[in-house]
Amino acid sequence: SAVISQKPSRDICQRGTSLTIQCQVDSQVTMMFWYRQQPGQSLTLIATANQGSEATYESGFVIDKFPISRPNLTFSTLTVSNMSPEDSSIYLCSVGGNEQFFGPGTRLTVL
Amino acid sequence: AQSVSQHNHHVILSEAASLELGCNYSYGGTVNLFWYVQYPGQHLQLLLKYFSGDPLVKGIKGFEAEFIKSKFSFNLRKPSVQWSDTAEYFCAVKSDSNYQLIWGAGTKLIIKP
Repeated sequence: SAVISQKPSRDICQRGTSLTIQCQVDSQVTMMFWYRQQPGQSLTLIATANQGSEATYESGFVIDKFPISRPNLTFSTLTVSNMSPEDSSIYLCSVGGNEQFFGPGTRLTVL
Repeated sequence: AQSVSQHNHHVILSEAASLELGCNYSYGGTVNLFWYVQYPGQHLQLLLKYFSGDPLVKGIKGFEAEFIKSKFSFNLRKPSVQWSDTAEYFCAVKSDSNYQLIWGAGTKLIIKP
Protein backbone atom coordinates (compact mmCIF):
# COMPACT_ATOMS: atom_id res chain seq x y z
CA SER A 1 0.00 0.00 0.00
CA ALA A 2 1.01 3.63 -0.45
CA VAL A 3 1.14 6.38 2.12
CA ILE A 4 -0.55 9.51 0.84
CA SER A 5 -0.54 12.96 2.36
CA GLN A 6 -2.58 15.99 1.40
CA LYS A 7 -2.17 19.68 2.10
CA PRO A 8 -3.98 21.57 3.40
CA SER A 9 -6.09 19.32 5.58
CA ARG A 10 -8.81 21.94 5.68
CA ASP A 11 -9.40 25.50 4.60
CA ILE A 12 -12.07 28.15 4.64
CA CYS A 13 -12.06 30.32 1.54
CA GLN A 14 -13.92 33.27 0.18
CA ARG A 15 -16.14 33.06 -2.85
CA GLY A 16 -14.29 33.84 -6.09
CA THR A 17 -10.87 32.77 -4.87
CA SER A 18 -8.90 29.64 -5.79
CA LEU A 19 -7.30 26.94 -3.68
CA THR A 20 -4.60 24.50 -4.68
CA ILE A 21 -4.56 21.14 -2.95
CA GLN A 22 -1.39 19.07 -2.92
CA CYS A 23 -1.13 15.31 -2.91
CA GLN A 24 2.15 13.57 -2.11
CA VAL A 25 2.76 9.82 -2.30
CA ASP A 26 5.63 7.94 -0.68
CA SER A 27 6.31 5.86 -3.79
CA GLN A 28 6.15 6.29 -7.54
CA VAL A 29 2.71 5.61 -8.97
CA THR A 30 1.38 5.76 -12.46
CA MET A 31 -2.21 6.71 -11.81
CA MET A 32 -3.49 9.31 -9.40
CA PHE A 33 -7.12 10.19 -8.98
CA TRP A 34 -8.95 13.20 -7.60
CA TYR A 35 -12.35 12.75 -6.00
CA ARG A 36 -14.93 15.00 -4.44
CA GLN A 37 -17.13 13.97 -1.55
CA GLN A 38 -19.90 16.46 -1.00
CA PRO A 39 -21.67 16.57 2.35
CA GLY A 40 -23.79 13.49 2.87
CA GLN A 41 -22.90 12.06 -0.50
CA SER A 42 -20.60 9.45 -1.92
CA LEU A 43 -17.36 9.93 -3.79
CA THR A 44 -17.37 11.34 -7.28
CA LEU A 45 -14.35 11.06 -9.53
CA ILE A 46 -13.21 14.45 -10.81
CA ALA A 47 -10.29 13.40 -12.95
CA THR A 48 -7.41 11.01 -13.46
CA ALA A 49 -3.93 12.48 -13.45
CA ASN A 50 -1.24 10.58 -15.30
CA GLN A 51 2.31 11.82 -15.33
CA GLY A 52 3.37 13.24 -18.67
CA SER A 53 -0.08 13.69 -20.09
CA GLU A 54 -3.13 15.87 -19.66
CA ALA A 55 -5.54 14.91 -16.94
CA THR A 56 -8.66 13.07 -18.01
CA TYR A 57 -11.81 14.70 -16.65
CA GLU A 58 -15.09 13.01 -15.90
CA SER A 59 -18.41 14.26 -17.13
CA GLY A 60 -19.40 17.43 -15.33
CA PHE A 61 -15.86 18.51 -14.49
CA VAL A 62 -13.74 20.83 -16.65
CA ILE A 63 -10.11 21.83 -16.69
CA ASP A 64 -10.85 25.53 -16.30
CA LYS A 65 -12.58 24.89 -12.99
CA PHE A 66 -10.34 22.09 -11.70
CA PRO A 67 -6.88 22.40 -13.27
CA ILE A 68 -4.58 19.53 -12.32
CA SER A 69 -0.84 19.23 -12.44
CA ARG A 70 1.17 16.01 -12.32
CA PRO A 71 4.83 17.01 -12.54
CA ASN A 72 6.24 13.65 -11.42
CA LEU A 73 5.29 10.17 -10.29
CA THR A 74 4.86 11.08 -6.60
CA PHE A 75 3.03 14.39 -6.66
CA SER A 76 -0.10 16.06 -8.01
CA THR A 77 -2.08 19.20 -7.39
CA LEU A 78 -5.74 20.01 -7.87
CA THR A 79 -6.84 23.63 -8.01
CA VAL A 80 -10.43 24.59 -7.28
CA SER A 81 -10.87 27.83 -9.20
CA ASN A 82 -13.27 30.73 -8.79
CA MET A 83 -14.89 29.00 -5.85
CA SER A 84 -18.52 29.19 -4.85
CA PRO A 85 -20.27 27.73 -1.80
CA GLU A 86 -21.29 24.74 -3.96
CA ASP A 87 -17.60 23.76 -4.05
CA SER A 88 -17.64 23.13 -0.31
CA SER A 89 -16.64 19.51 -0.09
CA ILE A 90 -13.95 17.07 0.87
CA TYR A 91 -11.39 16.60 -1.89
CA LEU A 92 -9.49 13.32 -1.91
CA CYS A 93 -6.62 12.02 -3.91
CA SER A 94 -6.04 8.35 -4.41
CA VAL A 95 -3.53 6.13 -6.14
CA GLY A 96 -3.58 2.64 -7.51
CA GLY A 97 -4.92 0.56 -10.31
CA ASN A 98 -7.01 -2.45 -9.39
CA GLU A 99 -6.96 -1.36 -5.78
CA GLN A 100 -7.00 2.28 -4.72
CA PHE A 101 -5.50 3.88 -1.63
CA PHE A 102 -6.70 7.20 -0.36
CA GLY A 103 -5.25 10.29 1.18
CA PRO A 104 -6.76 11.90 4.28
CA GLY A 105 -8.70 14.46 2.27
CA THR A 106 -8.92 18.24 2.25
CA ARG A 107 -12.05 19.70 3.79
CA LEU A 108 -12.92 22.89 1.92
CA THR A 109 -15.53 25.38 3.06
CA VAL A 110 -16.39 28.27 0.76
CA LEU A 111 -18.17 31.26 2.29
CA ALA B 1 -24.12 3.20 -16.99
CA GLN B 2 -22.78 1.41 -13.98
CA SER B 3 -24.30 2.20 -10.61
CA VAL B 4 -24.00 0.96 -7.06
CA SER B 5 -26.83 0.90 -4.56
CA GLN B 6 -26.42 0.62 -0.82
CA HIS B 7 -29.74 -0.10 0.77
CA ASN B 8 -29.36 1.54 4.15
CA HIS B 9 -28.00 5.02 4.72
CA HIS B 10 -27.99 4.67 8.50
CA VAL B 11 -27.83 1.56 10.64
CA ILE B 12 -27.84 1.50 14.43
CA LEU B 13 -26.99 -1.71 16.24
CA SER B 14 -26.09 -2.81 19.73
CA GLU B 15 -22.77 -4.43 20.44
CA ALA B 16 -22.67 -8.16 19.66
CA ALA B 17 -25.47 -7.85 17.11
CA SER B 18 -24.94 -9.32 13.67
CA LEU B 19 -24.45 -6.99 10.75
CA GLU B 20 -25.33 -7.20 7.11
CA LEU B 21 -25.01 -4.21 4.80
CA GLY B 22 -26.46 -4.57 1.36
CA CYS B 23 -24.74 -3.61 -1.87
CA ASN B 24 -26.11 -4.14 -5.37
CA TYR B 25 -24.56 -3.02 -8.60
CA SER B 26 -25.64 -2.74 -12.19
CA TYR B 27 -23.12 -3.90 -14.73
CA GLY B 28 -23.28 -6.90 -16.94
CA GLY B 29 -19.61 -7.64 -17.38
CA THR B 30 -16.81 -8.83 -15.15
CA VAL B 31 -16.42 -6.70 -12.05
CA ASN B 32 -14.07 -6.16 -9.18
CA LEU B 33 -15.87 -5.40 -5.91
CA PHE B 34 -14.73 -3.52 -2.84
CA TRP B 35 -15.84 -2.46 0.58
CA TYR B 36 -14.11 0.55 2.07
CA VAL B 37 -14.49 1.85 5.61
CA GLN B 38 -14.00 5.33 6.97
CA TYR B 39 -13.65 5.52 10.74
CA PRO B 40 -14.41 8.90 12.33
CA GLY B 41 -11.62 11.33 11.49
CA GLN B 42 -9.63 8.78 9.50
CA HIS B 43 -8.80 7.95 5.88
CA LEU B 44 -10.82 5.69 3.70
CA GLN B 45 -9.39 2.18 4.13
CA LEU B 46 -9.90 -0.94 2.12
CA LEU B 47 -11.88 -3.48 4.14
CA LEU B 48 -12.01 -6.26 1.61
CA LYS B 49 -12.09 -6.94 -2.11
CA TYR B 50 -13.24 -9.50 -4.61
CA PHE B 51 -11.54 -10.03 -7.95
CA SER B 52 -12.16 -13.68 -8.73
CA GLY B 53 -12.31 -17.14 -7.16
CA ASP B 54 -14.09 -17.96 -3.93
CA PRO B 55 -17.12 -15.64 -3.80
CA LEU B 56 -16.90 -15.48 -0.01
CA VAL B 57 -14.09 -13.10 0.87
CA LYS B 58 -12.73 -12.29 4.26
CA GLY B 59 -11.37 -8.92 5.19
CA ILE B 60 -9.88 -7.19 8.15
CA LYS B 61 -11.47 -7.00 11.61
CA GLY B 62 -13.72 -10.02 11.14
CA PHE B 63 -15.65 -8.68 8.16
CA GLU B 64 -16.61 -10.82 5.22
CA ALA B 65 -18.59 -10.31 2.04
CA GLU B 66 -20.26 -12.63 -0.40
CA PHE B 67 -20.39 -12.03 -4.12
CA ILE B 68 -23.61 -13.42 -5.59
CA LYS B 69 -23.30 -12.93 -9.32
CA SER B 70 -26.91 -13.86 -10.10
CA LYS B 71 -28.13 -11.17 -7.73
CA PHE B 72 -25.47 -8.57 -8.64
CA SER B 73 -24.83 -8.29 -4.93
CA PHE B 74 -21.83 -7.99 -2.63
CA ASN B 75 -23.20 -7.78 0.89
CA LEU B 76 -20.96 -7.09 3.84
CA ARG B 77 -21.35 -9.13 7.01
CA LYS B 78 -19.97 -9.42 10.49
CA PRO B 79 -21.36 -11.91 13.01
CA SER B 80 -20.82 -9.78 16.10
CA VAL B 81 -20.14 -6.05 15.91
CA GLN B 82 -18.15 -3.99 18.33
CA TRP B 83 -18.42 -0.36 19.33
CA SER B 84 -15.20 0.26 17.37
CA ASP B 85 -16.99 -0.71 14.15
CA THR B 86 -18.80 2.63 14.22
CA ALA B 87 -17.86 4.09 10.85
CA GLU B 88 -19.12 4.80 7.37
CA TYR B 89 -18.98 1.89 4.93
CA PHE B 90 -18.78 2.29 1.17
CA CYS B 91 -19.30 -0.33 -1.49
CA ALA B 92 -17.48 0.26 -4.78
CA VAL B 93 -17.38 -1.53 -8.10
CA LYS B 94 -14.87 -1.45 -10.91
CA SER B 95 -15.30 -3.07 -14.25
CA ASP B 96 -12.55 -5.42 -15.27
CA SER B 97 -11.69 -3.26 -18.27
CA ASN B 98 -10.91 0.07 -16.67
CA TYR B 99 -9.72 1.72 -13.51
CA GLN B 100 -12.73 3.81 -12.51
CA LEU B 101 -14.41 2.99 -9.21
CA ILE B 102 -18.16 3.52 -9.01
CA TRP B 103 -19.25 4.20 -5.45
CA GLY B 104 -22.34 3.56 -3.43
CA ALA B 105 -23.77 6.34 -1.28
CA GLY B 106 -22.34 4.87 1.90
CA THR B 107 -23.90 3.49 5.08
CA LYS B 108 -23.30 5.15 8.40
CA LEU B 109 -23.09 2.46 11.05
CA ILE B 110 -23.45 3.36 14.71
CA ILE B 111 -22.82 0.74 17.35
CA LYS B 112 -24.31 1.44 20.74
CA PRO B 113 -22.09 0.25 23.60
